[in-house]
This record gives sequence, structure tokens and C-alpha cells, in this order.
Amino acid sequence: AQKITQTQPGMFVQEKEAVTLDCTYDTSDQSYGLFWYKQPSSGEMIFLIYQGSYDEQNATEGRYSLNFQKARKSANLVISASQLGDSAMYFCAMVFYGNNRLAFGKGNQVVVIP
Amino acid sequence: EAQVTQNPRYLITVTGKKLTVTCSQNMNHEYMSWYRQDPGLGLRQIYYSMNVEVTDKGDVPEGYKVSRKEKRNFPLILESPSPNQTSLYFCASSSWTGGTFGSGTRLTVV
Repeated sequence: AQKITQTQPGMFVQEKEAVTLDCTYDTSDQSYGLFWYKQPSSGEMIFLIYQGSYDEQNATEGRYSLNFQKARKSANLVISASQLGDSAMYFCAMVFYGNNRLAFGKGNQVVVIP
Repeated sequence: EAQVTQNPRYLITVTGKKLTVTCSQNMNHEYMSWYRQDPGLGLRQIYYSMNVEVTDKGDVPEGYKVSRKEKRNFPLILESPSPNQTSLYFCASSSWTGGTFGSGTRLTVV
């Protein structure tokens, strides 16, 4: 069975610093997509970034980048120049191309301090 | 605009009173799913559907029903809600490039 692991405890980050959120996954599938979602205190789930398993370059979306290491089965999210509005829960997720099933890690809490 | 519409946003109900949370997507996705989110437990999948008339249990299906009569709609039904079903619920619709979530339903069962 596929499994996604996010093990870091809650993190405090200084404003304007970078933060890396770890995500490892376990699957025997060769074709899959990796995602990160942000959930602020208001509760909605906001899509941040996507990486396909066959993409050779790491995905980047503004201040978000995904450090994809396929051999290690890791997909870490890097947020550069943290802002107060980045305080949220962050979820790593996978979709499996065979059936489009979406699976999630348990999330990382990030608090940005001024 | 691509979106998943989930209603209601907030619901307080009493034990045993049947309720339905609606979910509709406009992206023509085949895969739709329901999750509940509880503190410390992350997102747990309740049911999913890979296409019309094809539904299957997720990790925590007890006490819930779903139906998928049309591609765009995937309602979640609680036939006899109990207080342990108090939670934040999300509907999601996904393709191989990702998932789009509804705005969530905060359900309280008293």
C-alpha cells in the first residue's frame, strides 16, 4: 500500500528565512504525481505545487519549490523568504496515475514569527 | 473557473437526524473522494469514486454512505449521525495533475 510520511514536529520559522518541509513516500508505482497543499487556520485546502514522477527538473511556483529525489522517494517543499501569511498546516500528497487516487501525509504545522 | 462546490459550510445537527453534504465539480474529473479531518489524525479518506456508479470504501467508511449517479456530483450521506462524526469534511475531485478541494464542511453532532 502506498504511504506518505511527514514526521517533523511543529516548526517555528523566522520571517524572511527559508523553511524546508520533509515528505517521503513509499510506492511501487512508477507513474505518480506529488503535491503540496497549504491549509491556513481558516480551513480551506490550497494547492501549492505539483511534480510528476517523470519530470526531471524540480518544480517551482513563486516562493515554493519542490526538491524531488526519486531514488530516495522524497519530495520536500522549500518555502523561500517566509512571510507571516505562510503560517499554516502543510500537506504532502500523491496521486496515482492508474486510478487518480489521492493520498495524504499527516501534515506539518508551520508558524512564521516576526 | 474550475471548482468543487461543497455545501453546507457549517452544520449543527442532533444525533440520529439524517443529513447530506453535497459536492459538485465542474472539471469533468472521474475521481472524487470524501475526507474527514480531525486534530492529530490528518486527512482520512471516507469513500471514493473512480467513475459514475463506481464507489468504494476508504479508510474510515463506517457510518457514511455515498452515491455517484452523475459524474459531477458525489454527495456524502450520514443516515444516523453520532457525536463521533463531529469533524471537518472535505470533498475533492482529482486528475493526474492534482486535486481540487471543496471549501469544507464543519459538522457538529450533538
